[in-house]
Amino acid sequence: EAQVTQNPRYLITVTGKKLTVTCSQNMNHEYMSWYRQDPGLGLRQIYYSMNVEVTDKGDVPEGYKVSRKEKRNFPLILESPSPNQTSLYFCASGDWTASSTNEKLFFGSGTQLSVL
Amino acid sequence: AQTVTQSQPEMSVQEAETVTLSCTYDTSESDYYLFWYKQPPSRQMILVIRQEAYKQQNATENRFSVNFQKAAKSFSLKISDSQLGDAAMYFCAYRGGTYKYIFGTGTRLKVLA
Repeated sequence: EAQVTQNPRYLITVTGKKLTVTCSQNMNHEYMSWYRQDPGLGLRQIYYSMNVEVTDKGDVPEGYKVSRKEKRNFPLILESPSPNQTSLYFCASGDWTASSTNEKLFFGSGTQLSVL
Repeated sequence: AQTVTQSQPEMSVQEAETVTLSCTYDTSESDYYLFWYKQPPSRQMILVIRQEAYKQQNATENRFSVNFQKAAKSFSLKISDSQLGDAAMYFCAYRGGTYKYIFGTGTRLKVLA
């Protein structure tokens, strides 16, 4: 089954404790990206990657790191989490080599992060 | 910088009726893509409909259609024959040449039985 797998679904941590949210896709997509969703603010892009070893900042990259060492994986790293990073996080992938008429993001099921 | 605005935080519609969700955007690009995504209570994000800016014809997917007004930078979603399963948060999204996605703040749609 084609899917984007994101883990964990829920995470409670404390300020300053490094954490990683994993994201993996099995569709051989070149494009992967991370978003955070906050009430009243919608989804905001954190980072995106067009291919292995190629990453670019989205609109809210501060406090986050990403890496793309393999095509299928795109982990989100919070080196020193703070309470303002409490949010719902989504990973997504897409295939830009396909026809533009098929452009679509495939989303993971989300990670609800609480930083105390 | 591109922006996407959804001015209706919440909308209600009677089952079987029609509702239109509004979205406006701002860009200086001529080639871009617009999307509507649905997020039900399960929080899974689902593509509803897509519109390529170079196409003048409005996109349609079954009960869902868009009114794309390129000059006015407007991209509204019409849902016909509303069903209880349409109740969700709806996000308008823009993707330009840089492959950055810009999402609106969302419209929560309630469907009344």
